[in-house]
Amino acid sequence: DIQMTQSPSFLSASVGDRVTINCKASQNINRYLNWYQQKLGEAPKLLIYNANSLQTGIPSRFSGSGSGTDFTLTISSLQPEDVATYFCLQHNSWPYTFGAGTKLELK
Amino acid sequence: EVQLVESGGGLVQPGRSLKLSCAASGFTFSNYYMAWVRQAPKKGLEWVATISTSGSRTYYPDSVKGRFTISRDNAKSSLYLQMNSLKSEDTATYYCASPIRTDYWGQGVMVTVSS
Repeated sequence: DIQMTQSPSFLSASVGDRVTINCKASQNINRYLNWYQQKLGEAPKLLIYNANSLQTGIPSRFSGSGSGTDFTLTISSLQPEDVATYFCLQHNSWPYTFGAGTKLELK
Repeated sequence: EVQLVESGGGLVQPGRSLKLSCAASGFTFSNYYMAWVRQAPKKGLEWVATISTSGSRTYYPDSVKGRFTISRDNAKSSLYLQMNSLKSEDTATYYCASPIRTDYWGQGVMVTVSS
């Protein structure tokens, strides 16, 4: 199985900060990497698919980059409504596997 | 409006069975691969089953293989998860979803495995 190592586990930042979250795959997953946002008590929401494609309706302050084994989710200017837990998911090969999550809080 | 509504969760004893259902509406259900994704309390996400559009292909991780069966009825726009030989570690919120290119998720249904 492909292991997804996500970092950091916890992140505290201020409104307006640039925030980056990383995922590293244990083997090449090409660009088959999605990012999800999950707010407390809600289902996950798709932000980025195939490493760098912004899902419809997602603010442009969210962006994704990377290919192969190393991927990054960037929030260019943190907003209060971005407080959530963020997960990566590899869908290159079965079984699909998630990262452990990054909990993002406001400083 | 896309809706996925799960049902069938609850408290069940270890070793027993439970069947989850998911009623889909607002999109052409038969055109989409569907999945069940679970989340243990205060834990991360785990993809537990996928089914192809026709239902001819299914995929499971080792953690549930041989115990869980995903199925679908395209005529009823419904997805199912039959869970047998349940263990305490199967305790989680189970989401019906098509989350790879689309962002279709249900609200989740809680399954608690405990004596």
